[in-house]
Amino acid sequence: QVQLVQSGAEVKKPGASVKVSCKASGYTFTSYDINWVRQATGQGLEWMGWMNPNSGNTGYAQKFQGRVTMTRNTSISTAYMELSSLRSEDTAVYYCARELRGYSSLKGYWYFDLWGRGTLVTVSS
Amino acid sequence: QSVLTQPPSASGTPGQRVTISCSGSSSNIGSNTVNWYQQLPGTAPKLLIYRNNQRPSGVPDRFSGSKSGTSASLAISGLQSEDEADYYCAAWDDSLNGWVFGGGTKLTVL
Repeated sequence: QVQLVQSGAEVKKPGASVKVSCKASGYTFTSYDINWVRQATGQGLEWMGWMNPNSGNTGYAQKFQGRVTMTRNTSISTAYMELSSLRSEDTAVYYCARELRGYSSLKGYWYFDLWGRGTLVTVSS
Repeated sequence: QSVLTQPPSASGTPGQRVTISCSGSSSNIGSNTVNWYQQLPGTAPKLLIYRNNQRPSGVPDRFSGSKSGTSASLAISGLQSEDEADYYCAAWDDSLNGWVFGGGTKLTVL
């Protein structure tokens, strides 16, 4: 079925890096952008960036510029999000989400129609 | 501080109608469509409304969305206990060149 399957929970020390994977199945991986959204415990959703799996083009939220890298391996339909220089405030659940696009009256619209189940990243010394 | 402003909480009794507001600006809601996501406790967000007022297949018609100017609203009629969840609005922001979310509204069914 159509789904995004994420890698398992991670525990990292401050200053380290983490790489979370998101494997797509049931659809053509290269046809839709993948976005990453994180959520600290008890907090709201925070968008981190997007990646076009076909071209590899990316766009990152200013807050994460220089610390986040989004990549993909099209041969295994998997997207990756790597966050470096981890600090305690990065402790959160990280979600990948597929972005759908449409057009109506020459105006585009976009939305996240499919989400992974999330990957808990804990940063602790 | 979220770019889109939502009330932190809302509540209603079974069968009631509740609305959740989402306020933004000309660079986000004023220029682009609004989506709503429902997050049940301990689960990933789920698309509830897209393109301001469109329901994905499988979403009951008790859920409806609207947008006017730089604000949007989610209405839930015939409230049910299983509607107890966090609700988030989202829109693309042309100035920030990225997605922005509301802070979320926790809906309690009394």
